[in-house]
Amino acid sequence: NAGVTQTPKFQVLKTGQSMTLQCAQDMNHEYMSWYRQDPGMGLRLIHYSVGAGITDQGEVPNGYNVSRSTTEDFPLRLLSAAPSQTSVYFCASRYRITATEAFFGQGTRLTVV
Amino acid sequence: GENVEQHPSTLSVQEGDSAVIKCTYSDSASNYFPWYKQELGKRPQLIIDIRSNVGEKKDQRIAVTLNKTAKHFSLHITETQPEDSAVYFCAASSDTGNQFYFGTGTSLTVIP
Repeated sequence: NAGVTQTPKFQVLKTGQSMTLQCAQDMNHEYMSWYRQDPGMGLRLIHYSVGAGITDQGEVPNGYNVSRSTTEDFPLRLLSAAPSQTSVYFCASRYRITATEAFFGQGTRLTVV
Repeated sequence: GENVEQHPSTLSVQEGDSAVIKCTYSDSASNYFPWYKQELGKRPQLIIDIRSNVGEKKDQRIAVTLNKTAKHFSLHITETQPEDSAVYFCAASSDTGNQFYFGTGTSLTVIP
């Protein structure tokens, strides 16, 4: 199993550009989520999904969209990048929504200039 | 929603000494408390977790304690080694909730 695969690893965007961060898992996990990690602020939840076709907002959803058309994939879209979105982004999955171990992707370091 | 506070933000210890990181939570419904270790430039990985029906759990040099009444839990690392140097995150979750609430992290440095 590859686990959680996240691409790209690094990305530089200009303000106003859009892009999609890809996330795929091969563990048949129901629950997938996106976090951003900023210095001194820990991991903050952006969006999550409890299954194909079901998504919901987390703590910091503004400026981001998600969709879940398959169990395996959970892409994160930045609609119009802003410097405040400069961060490290992690995708994570869990077997089910209730309290179980989260498996993280390798992260995407995004810089918006 | 849940609020998880973590202290200290940085911690330096001599190799062989013990390290303790503490977290508090606010929601009494939280019943699952994992700890994640993140090495520099790497992804967070689970190192130990505890559920609310248990007061303490050990795994070799790592232990976690939970005080439900006081709503706090702690990570204890004994006989620290340089490879323990990393950022450690605590988190809280509940069976009725839909997310992990993470603390702000503790950067642990083990000095050889």
